[in-house]
Amino acid sequence: ETGVTQSPTHLIKTRGQQVTLRCSSQSGHNTVSWYQQALGQGPQFIFQYYREEENGRGNFPPRFSGLQFPNYSSELNVNALELDDSALYLCASSLGAGQSSYEQYFGPGTRLTVT
Amino acid sequence: RKEVEQDPGPFNVPEGATVAFNCTYSNSASQSFFWYRQDCRKEPKLLMSVYSSGNEDGRFTAQLNRASQYISLLIRDSKLSDSATYLCVVMPMGTGRRALTFGSGTRLQVQP
Repeated sequence: ETGVTQSPTHLIKTRGQQVTLRCSSQSGHNTVSWYQQALGQGPQFIFQYYREEENGRGNFPPRFSGLQFPNYSSELNVNALELDDSALYLCASSLGAGQSSYEQYFGPGTRLTVT
Repeated sequence: RKEVEQDPGPFNVPEGATVAFNCTYSNSASQSFFWYRQDCRKEPKLLMSVYSSGNEDGRFTAQLNRASQYISLLIRDSKLSDSATYLCVVMPMGTGRRALTFGSGTRLQVQP
């Protein structure tokens, strides 16, 4: 087990609604990255938080936003949900510095279905 | 062209076989390389980091060829439990962020 937890495990929402997903990082890790994985694809990078600041963003619209808290846990918020947002949302934690910081450890994911 | 390309498979092999997966990446500035394993409807799990000199962990051997922008994973003496999707992953250099770029994965099915 990686020690990375995510909640909820499954979620069903209606198009146009808003959703908040949560992630607790592994003990000692100060960096959290979020990824979206559509069926049959590899995960796609959404954004990363390091010490409560956004530290890079992938090709996702502004309706995808996030937060990191002082305890390094994190939230992903998605507004105005679209059908294409249906996917597995993964959070990964890592150290913020040093060679081993390149290794990211994933939580079990939240499966979001938008109807 | 995708940043990381993999043969999707599936590779169907008998128990005990040796199987090799290949992966190519387009960003020559990529800094770090990994293989992750993903079981059906589960999260990716780090299998190995890939070092320039190549590295081995038990039945698994990973190799990196920076000149050809090519990464490989060799699995010897395949077990039924090796059945999974194997994701080739690279991390670009110089962006300040450590975002992983994933291939779409290669599916392995080991048969009794």
